[in-house]
Amino acid sequence: DADVTQTPRNRITKTGKRIMLECSQTKGHDRMYWYRQDPGLGLRLIYYSFDVKDINKGEISDGYSVSRQAQAKFSLSLESAIPNQTALYFCATSDPGLPRSNEQFFGPGTRLTVL
Amino acid sequence: GDSVTQMEGPVTLSEEAFLTINCTYTATGYPSLFWYVQYPGEGLQLLLKATKADDKGSNKGFEATYRKETTSFHLEKGSVQVSDSAVYFCALSDRSTSYDKVIFGPGTSLSVIP
Repeated sequence: DADVTQTPRNRITKTGKRIMLECSQTKGHDRMYWYRQDPGLGLRLIYYSFDVKDINKGEISDGYSVSRQAQAKFSLSLESAIPNQTALYFCATSDPGLPRSNEQFFGPGTRLTVL
Repeated sequence: GDSVTQMEGPVTLSEEAFLTINCTYTATGYPSLFWYVQYPGEGLQLLLKATKADDKGSNKGFEATYRKETTSFHLEKGSVQVSDSAVYFCALSDRSTSYDKVIFGPGTSLSVIP
């Protein structure tokens, strides 16, 4: 059973459309993250949330918004999609209780193409 | 700010060859270091980690030693297999910052040919 799930797995959309990517987890972790992956750039943090009432911007939050509906759910929205938001998007979770570690647990990713 | 640098790929090796993927880091505090692996079509998963200087992380035949003096965490495997073909990411987590962020390197693509 997948601990971190993402829907949809693939999405093609047009410029200007609003898109929502969803993430659910069964790991019981308070901390959740959204990253985007681009070739040669690794993973860049978009937003992160340390609990339901705590939402923080990452390094590339412009053009994105998030919603933490519950401990287990963290959604990413593109209010008006543009072609340079074409990328692979990952949701991740972590457990702050792990000593001296911030091991992250990733979902399978959503491949988004904006035409 | 904190950063991670990895050797550029792609790296192509024959089966049973020795693998080294170099990783160096810059951090203001005392980071934990990680190697993550991404198999085709999948998300990242933790391969190994080390939380303090001179620690050696190991898993599935891969090893990496936390070298504070050279700020490095190079990934090695003595004999690679076709199934090791994947993208490898070096990463650090620095708890001296205001939040527990993880900084990822750009990734190194490895292809192992029979």
